[in-house]
Amino acid sequence: EPEVTQTPSHQVTQMGQEVILRCVPISNHLYFYWYRQILGQKVEFLVSFYNNEISEKSEIFDDQFSVERPDGSNFTLKIRSTKLEDSAMYFCASSHTGTGVSYEQYFGPGTRLTVT
Amino acid sequence: AQKITQTQPGMFVQEKEAVTLDCTYDTSDPSYGLFWYKQPSSGEMIFLIYQGSYDQQNATEGRYSLNFQKARKSANLVISASQLGDSAMYFCAMREGGFGLTGGGNKLTFGTGTQLKVEL
Repeated sequence: EPEVTQTPSHQVTQMGQEVILRCVPISNHLYFYWYRQILGQKVEFLVSFYNNEISEKSEIFDDQFSVERPDGSNFTLKIRSTKLEDSAMYFCASSHTGTGVSYEQYFGPGTRLTVT
Repeated sequence: AQKITQTQPGMFVQEKEAVTLDCTYDTSDPSYGLFWYKQPSSGEMIFLIYQGSYDQQNATEGRYSLNFQKARKSANLVISASQLGDSAMYFCAMREGGFGLTGGGNKLTFGTGTQLKVEL
């Protein structure tokens, strides 16, 4: 069964450093997402991406964040200068095959980011 | 106002019993979808069940069913015959707007979750 993959599973970085979180969405999906979950809290939407551009972003997704689809398979989230409060689990998700109605978002296993 | 409210931070159920996890939602959009996800201690998000706002019947997927009461804006998850492996955090989520490729509105808004523990 196709699945969303994410690397690394755990990333430790120092405050102020740049990090790139990587995701490989399901191959025939067209919509990609990043969510984050601070420990013990609910899952929060960051950004959605369709047709090589951002389709929606939340207020959390400020200028420190960027997303990219550098090739036909990877989808990345970059945090330019990490802060302590960026420590969270980051989930990538994908949806929509382009045929018919598709509603389910398939989530990856997550990347736990720890900023020290 | 919260878009998704889960009022039960923790629930206990005995193995083989049924359990209902509550979820209420708030939207003025006539077109929306409601989702339940399971998050075990390992952290991944597992899709369980979906209910569309125009669906006439309650959704069912194996031991999971969704008790959809549109007038009350509730979408409770019912797990029948609980198993030890059902112990996890359960999140209710909503997507507002249509389901097409264009127009955005695909983001999911999550509730705060219910921690379910199944006991022997």
